[in-house]
Order: sequence, then C-alpha cells, then structure tokens
Amino acid sequence: ETGVTQTPRHLVMGMTNKKSLKCEQHLGHNAMYWYKQSAKKPLELMFVYNFKEQTENNSVPSRFSPECPNSSHLFLHLHTLQPEDSALYLCASSQDLIVGDEQFFGPGTRLTVL
Amino acid sequence: DAKTTQPTSMDCAEGRAANLPCNHSTISGNEYVYWYRQIHSQGPQYIIHGLKNNETNEMASLIITEDRKSSTLILPHATLRDTAVYYCIVRPPEGTSYDKVIFGPGTSLSVIP
Repeated sequence: ETGVTQTPRHLVMGMTNKKSLKCEQHLGHNAMYWYKQSAKKPLELMFVYNFKEQTENNSVPSRFSPECPNSSHLFLHLHTLQPEDSALYLCASSQDLIVGDEQFFGPGTRLTVL
Repeated sequence: DAKTTQPTSMDCAEGRAANLPCNHSTISGNEYVYWYRQIHSQGPQYIIHGLKNNETNEMASLIITEDRKSSTLILPHATLRDTAVYYCIVRPPEGTSYDKVIFGPGTSLSVIP
C-alpha cells in the first residue's frame, strides 16, 4: 500500500471519447505528478503540481488536460486521443518539490486508445 | 536524454548479492543520485538516494564513487521478488525545473532460483 491510488486501473477508449483518470494520495503531500510510460520506453514526466498550482507542463499536447482541485486529488482529462497515446499513466506524490523528497507512485492506469 | 547509463539487463542467483552499476559522469556537485525499481505492472518504488556518502537502508545499499561519476546499488540477498527494472536517476538541485528529472531505460534484473 503506497498511499497513492489511481482509478481506473484499466481503460479502453475510442479516439472520440472523453474520459478522466483520477489520482488520490492520503499521505499529506503537497506535490503531485503525472507520468507517462509507453511500451519499452522510459518514464516521461508530464505535469507537476505544487500546492494545487501547476509548476511544470513538459510540452504535453492539449488533448491531455490536468486538474488539481486540492492537494490530495489530481485528474487527467483525456479527449480526442490518438492510438500512440496508449500507455501506462502513473501518478506520484512527494512531500514538497525539494531535493531529497522521495516520490511515491500509484499503481498506474493502463490506457488503450483504439 | 537521461544523464545516466546502466546495463540493459542482469541476472543474479537467488540469495546472492545483486550489484547494479550506474554511470553518471556529467553529474554536478549538488545533484543527488536516486534509485527506483518497477516490478512488472506496478508503479515505480523508491529504493534509496545519496549525494556523496554511501547510504544503507532496509532495502539496499548505495555506493557512490569518490569522484561521484558512478554508483552501485547493492541488494545484499536477492530474492525472486526483487526481479524488476531498476532505474538510476540524477535529481536536479533545488530550484531547477522539474522537466530535468529524466528516467532512463533502467536495468532489467532477473533473480534466478
């Protein structure tokens, strides 16, 4: 139990669908992250939030829209995705955005875009 | 590009020590070395981190060379559950943009019975 949960664990969607991924952390952390892990590729950082404010958008296409309503919840809204967006999407949190804070990862959402 | 290089894969006999090397020859003086692992179909798990001194915790030991250009993660008594991809990453110093945190392809460790 890492304290970071993600739902759903698996999602299949068409290119015209709109869906949302949810992440929740019960660790009292202030920073949350979205990562993308494509097949046989390294983890790629997508978005960073600190105290609900987005501090980093790593050149992610606008079809991915993050939302952080409070420090415990992070969403990733998906619309008009492409098949190449199929990947494992991982959420993580850390106490703060400072060196020395370890990141705790959730189990991920396996997304398939048809 | 990742700032670290690791072997693509390694095997280790169960019960023996697993020594996973990592090269980070361009590391700067205020950057930390972090290790994570990812067991199949799970999210990455933090293992250990260090700056200059060797570190040990309940999971592993981290040996950093004096010039800090390389490090070795040591799992003292590998078990089958240690089979995973191990990532060595260099964390930027405080105040640096977080898009500089880059995971490389890692080392796929197979612990063999």
